[in-house]
Amino acid sequence: AQTVTQSQPEMSVQEAETVTLSCTYDTSESDYYLFWYKQPPSRQMILVIRQEAYKQQNATENRFSVNFQKAAKSFSLKISDSQLGDAAMYFCAYSRGTSYGKLTFGQGTILTVHP
Amino acid sequence: DVKVTQSSRYLVKRTGEKVFLECVQDMDHENMFWYRQDPGLGLRLIYFSYDVKMKEKGDIPEGYSVSREKKERFSLILESASTNQTSMYLCASSPPPGQPLHEYFGPGTRLTVT
Repeated sequence: AQTVTQSQPEMSVQEAETVTLSCTYDTSESDYYLFWYKQPPSRQMILVIRQEAYKQQNATENRFSVNFQKAAKSFSLKISDSQLGDAAMYFCAYSRGTSYGKLTFGQGTILTVHP
Repeated sequence: DVKVTQSSRYLVKRTGEKVFLECVQDMDHENMFWYRQDPGLGLRLIYFSYDVKMKEKGDIPEGYSVSREKKERFSLILESASTNQTSMYLCASSPPPGQPLHEYFGPGTRLTVT
Protein backbone atom coordinates (compact mmCIF):
# COMPACT_ATOMS: atom_id res chain seq x y z
CA ALA A 1 0.00 0.00 0.00
CA GLN A 2 1.13 3.50 -0.69
CA THR A 3 1.98 5.77 2.21
CA VAL A 4 2.70 9.47 2.42
CA THR A 5 4.55 10.99 5.37
CA GLN A 6 4.84 14.62 6.36
CA SER A 7 7.20 14.78 9.31
CA GLN A 8 6.67 18.46 10.14
CA PRO A 9 3.38 18.99 11.97
CA GLU A 10 4.00 22.74 12.11
CA MET A 11 6.26 25.22 10.36
CA SER A 12 6.60 28.97 10.54
CA VAL A 13 8.14 31.60 8.30
CA GLN A 14 8.57 35.33 8.23
CA GLU A 15 6.77 37.25 5.55
CA ALA A 16 8.89 37.55 2.37
CA GLU A 17 11.14 34.66 3.43
CA THR A 18 11.36 31.17 1.94
CA VAL A 19 10.12 28.00 3.58
CA THR A 20 10.33 24.33 2.56
CA LEU A 21 7.77 21.71 3.55
CA SER A 22 8.89 18.09 3.48
CA CYS A 23 7.11 15.01 2.19
CA THR A 24 8.20 11.44 1.62
CA TYR A 25 6.19 8.66 0.07
CA ASP A 26 6.42 4.96 -0.48
CA THR A 27 5.23 3.17 -3.60
CA SER A 28 6.22 0.35 -5.90
CA GLU A 29 4.41 1.93 -8.85
CA SER A 30 6.21 3.68 -11.71
CA ASP A 31 3.22 5.68 -12.95
CA TYR A 32 1.95 8.12 -10.36
CA TYR A 33 1.29 11.72 -9.51
CA LEU A 34 2.22 13.82 -6.52
CA PHE A 35 0.37 16.87 -5.29
CA TRP A 36 0.49 19.63 -2.76
CA TYR A 37 -2.88 20.88 -1.58
CA LYS A 38 -3.53 23.94 0.55
CA GLN A 39 -6.35 24.17 3.07
CA PRO A 40 -6.78 27.72 4.40
CA PRO A 41 -8.74 28.33 7.59
CA SER A 42 -11.92 28.65 5.47
CA ARG A 43 -11.38 24.93 4.74
CA GLN A 44 -11.78 24.82 0.95
CA MET A 45 -8.95 22.59 -0.20
CA ILE A 46 -7.22 23.86 -3.34
CA LEU A 47 -4.49 22.42 -5.53
CA VAL A 48 -1.14 24.19 -5.24
CA ILE A 49 1.04 22.15 -7.55
CA ARG A 50 1.13 18.79 -9.34
CA GLN A 51 4.07 16.62 -10.43
CA GLU A 52 3.92 13.69 -12.83
CA ALA A 53 6.41 10.99 -11.85
CA TYR A 54 7.60 10.48 -15.43
CA LYS A 55 8.67 14.13 -15.68
CA GLN A 56 12.18 14.80 -14.48
CA GLN A 57 11.70 18.55 -14.42
CA ASN A 58 10.44 19.93 -11.14
CA ALA A 59 7.04 21.62 -11.31
CA THR A 60 6.72 25.31 -10.55
CA GLU A 61 3.72 27.58 -10.10
CA ASN A 62 4.69 31.19 -9.51
CA ARG A 63 6.16 31.33 -5.97
CA PHE A 64 5.63 27.61 -5.42
CA SER A 65 8.09 24.98 -6.59
CA VAL A 66 8.85 21.39 -5.76
CA ASN A 67 12.00 19.36 -5.34
CA PHE A 68 11.07 15.93 -6.69
CA GLN A 69 13.66 13.27 -5.84
CA LYS A 70 12.22 10.11 -7.37
CA ALA A 71 14.90 7.70 -6.20
CA ALA A 72 14.70 9.01 -2.66
CA LYS A 73 10.88 9.18 -2.86
CA SER A 74 10.93 12.72 -1.61
CA PHE A 75 8.68 15.57 -2.71
CA SER A 76 9.22 18.86 -0.91
CA LEU A 77 7.40 22.15 -1.48
CA LYS A 78 9.28 25.44 -1.51
CA ILE A 79 7.35 28.66 -1.00
CA SER A 80 9.31 31.75 -1.94
CA ASP A 81 8.54 35.32 -0.87
CA SER A 82 6.00 34.03 1.66
CA GLN A 83 2.81 36.03 2.07
CA LEU A 84 0.29 36.21 4.88
CA GLY A 85 -2.21 34.49 2.61
CA ASP A 86 0.03 31.43 2.44
CA ALA A 87 -0.88 30.57 6.03
CA ALA A 88 -2.77 27.28 5.85
CA MET A 89 -2.60 23.55 6.34
CA TYR A 90 -0.60 21.96 3.52
CA PHE A 91 -1.15 18.37 2.47
CA CYS A 92 1.10 16.25 0.34
CA ALA A 93 -0.81 13.63 -1.65
CA TYR A 94 -0.13 10.71 -3.97
CA SER A 95 -2.22 9.19 -6.73
CA ARG A 96 -1.50 6.09 -8.73
CA GLY A 97 -1.68 6.75 -12.44
CA THR A 98 -4.66 4.47 -13.06
CA SER A 99 -6.61 4.98 -9.84
CA TYR A 100 -9.42 7.30 -11.02
CA GLY A 101 -7.69 10.02 -9.07
CA LYS A 102 -7.92 8.46 -5.60
CA LEU A 103 -5.56 10.30 -3.31
CA THR A 104 -3.46 9.11 -0.41
CA PHE A 105 -2.69 12.03 1.88
CA GLY A 106 0.02 12.84 4.36
CA GLN A 107 -0.77 14.05 7.85
CA GLY A 108 -0.53 17.72 6.95
CA THR A 109 1.74 20.62 7.94
CA ILE A 110 0.35 23.79 9.48
CA LEU A 111 2.20 26.79 8.08
CA THR A 112 2.19 30.05 10.04
CA VAL A 113 3.38 33.24 8.36
CA HIS A 114 4.61 36.00 10.67
CA PRO A 115 4.37 39.64 9.53
CA ASP B 1 -15.76 28.14 -12.51
CA VAL B 2 -15.54 24.67 -11.04
CA LYS B 3 -17.77 24.04 -8.08
CA VAL B 4 -18.28 21.28 -5.54
CA THR B 5 -20.89 21.99 -2.91
CA GLN B 6 -21.86 20.16 0.24
CA SER B 7 -25.28 20.37 1.82
CA SER B 8 -24.17 21.50 5.30
CA ARG B 9 -21.12 23.18 6.81
CA TYR B 10 -21.98 22.05 10.33
CA LEU B 11 -24.15 19.18 11.49
CA VAL B 12 -24.95 17.84 14.94
CA LYS B 13 -26.56 14.41 15.23
CA ARG B 14 -27.31 11.95 17.99
CA THR B 15 -25.87 8.47 18.35
CA GLY B 16 -27.90 5.97 16.36
CA GLU B 17 -29.37 8.48 13.92
CA LYS B 18 -29.17 7.92 10.18
CA VAL B 19 -27.18 10.74 8.62
CA PHE B 20 -27.04 11.87 5.00
CA LEU B 21 -24.25 14.05 3.67
CA GLU B 22 -24.87 15.38 0.19
CA CYS B 23 -22.37 16.52 -2.40
CA VAL B 24 -23.03 18.09 -5.78
CA GLN B 25 -20.55 18.98 -8.54
CA ASP B 26 -21.25 21.01 -11.63
CA MET B 27 -18.28 19.92 -13.76
CA ASP B 28 -19.76 16.77 -15.32
CA HIS B 29 -17.06 14.69 -13.62
CA GLU B 30 -17.34 10.93 -13.59
CA ASN B 31 -15.27 10.43 -10.45
CA MET B 32 -16.42 11.49 -7.01
CA PHE B 33 -14.95 10.83 -3.58
CA TRP B 34 -15.72 11.04 0.12
CA TYR B 35 -12.89 11.61 2.59
CA ARG B 36 -12.82 12.17 6.29
CA GLN B 37 -10.27 14.48 7.84
CA ASP B 38 -8.97 14.00 11.38
CA PRO B 39 -6.12 15.85 13.11
CA GLY B 40 -2.81 14.09 12.71
CA LEU B 41 -4.24 11.61 10.21
CA GLY B 42 -4.74 13.79 7.18
CA LEU B 43 -7.55 12.79 4.84
CA ARG B 44 -8.61 9.19 4.44
CA LEU B 45 -10.75 7.84 1.61
CA ILE B 46 -14.11 6.39 2.66
CA TYR B 47 -15.72 5.59 -0.71
CA PHE B 48 -15.45 6.65 -4.29
CA SER B 49 -17.60 6.39 -7.37
CA TYR B 50 -16.38 6.29 -10.97
CA ASP B 51 -19.79 6.38 -12.62
CA VAL B 52 -23.48 6.55 -11.82
CA LYS B 53 -24.49 3.64 -9.59
CA MET B 54 -20.86 2.47 -9.46
CA LYS B 55 -18.95 2.62 -6.20
CA GLU B 56 -15.91 1.16 -4.54
CA LYS B 57 -14.73 1.05 -0.96
CA GLY B 58 -11.85 3.20 0.08
CA ASP B 59 -9.57 2.71 3.04
CA ILE B 60 -12.11 3.19 5.85
CA PRO B 61 -15.60 2.19 4.61
CA GLU B 62 -16.84 0.58 7.83
CA GLY B 63 -19.98 2.25 9.14
CA TYR B 64 -20.61 4.13 5.90
CA SER B 65 -22.45 3.60 2.64
CA VAL B 66 -22.87 5.76 -0.44
CA SER B 67 -25.35 6.45 -3.16
CA ARG B 68 -24.90 7.86 -6.63
CA GLU B 69 -28.13 7.97 -8.60
CA LYS B 70 -27.15 10.96 -10.75
CA LYS B 71 -23.79 11.92 -12.16
CA GLU B 72 -23.60 15.23 -10.32
CA ARG B 73 -24.63 13.98 -6.87
CA PHE B 74 -22.79 11.68 -4.45
CA SER B 75 -24.23 11.00 -1.02
CA LEU B 76 -22.52 9.61 2.05
CA ILE B 77 -24.74 7.75 4.49
CA LEU B 78 -24.03 6.93 8.09
CA GLU B 79 -26.51 4.16 8.79
CA SER B 80 -26.29 4.50 12.58
CA ALA B 81 -24.11 7.39 13.64
CA SER B 82 -21.57 6.78 16.38
CA THR B 83 -19.39 9.18 18.33
CA ASN B 84 -16.25 7.92 16.58
CA GLN B 85 -17.69 9.27 13.33
CA THR B 86 -17.39 12.83 14.63
CA SER B 87 -15.11 14.35 12.02
CA MET B 88 -14.74 16.67 9.05
CA TYR B 89 -16.10 15.16 5.83
CA LEU B 90 -14.83 16.34 2.48
CA CYS B 91 -16.30 15.55 -0.90
CA ALA B 92 -14.26 15.79 -4.09
CA SER B 93 -14.57 15.16 -7.80
CA SER B 94 -12.04 14.64 -10.57
CA PRO B 95 -12.13 14.62 -14.37
CA PRO B 96 -11.81 11.41 -16.41
CA PRO B 97 -8.49 10.06 -17.74
CA GLY B 98 -7.10 12.20 -20.51
CA GLN B 99 -7.56 15.43 -18.59
CA PRO B 100 -5.05 16.77 -16.07
CA LEU B 101 -5.49 14.84 -12.86
CA HIS B 102 -6.85 17.20 -10.22
CA GLU B 103 -9.34 16.68 -7.44
CA TYR B 104 -11.71 19.53 -6.70
CA PHE B 105 -12.93 19.71 -3.13
CA GLY B 106 -16.07 20.92 -1.47
CA PRO B 107 -15.96 23.16 1.62
CA GLY B 108 -16.43 20.27 4.03
CA THR B 109 -19.05 19.28 6.60
CA ARG B 110 -18.12 19.30 10.26
CA LEU B 111 -20.19 16.47 11.79
CA THR B 112 -20.56 16.11 15.53
CA VAL B 113 -22.23 12.98 16.90
CA THR B 114 -23.31 13.25 20.53
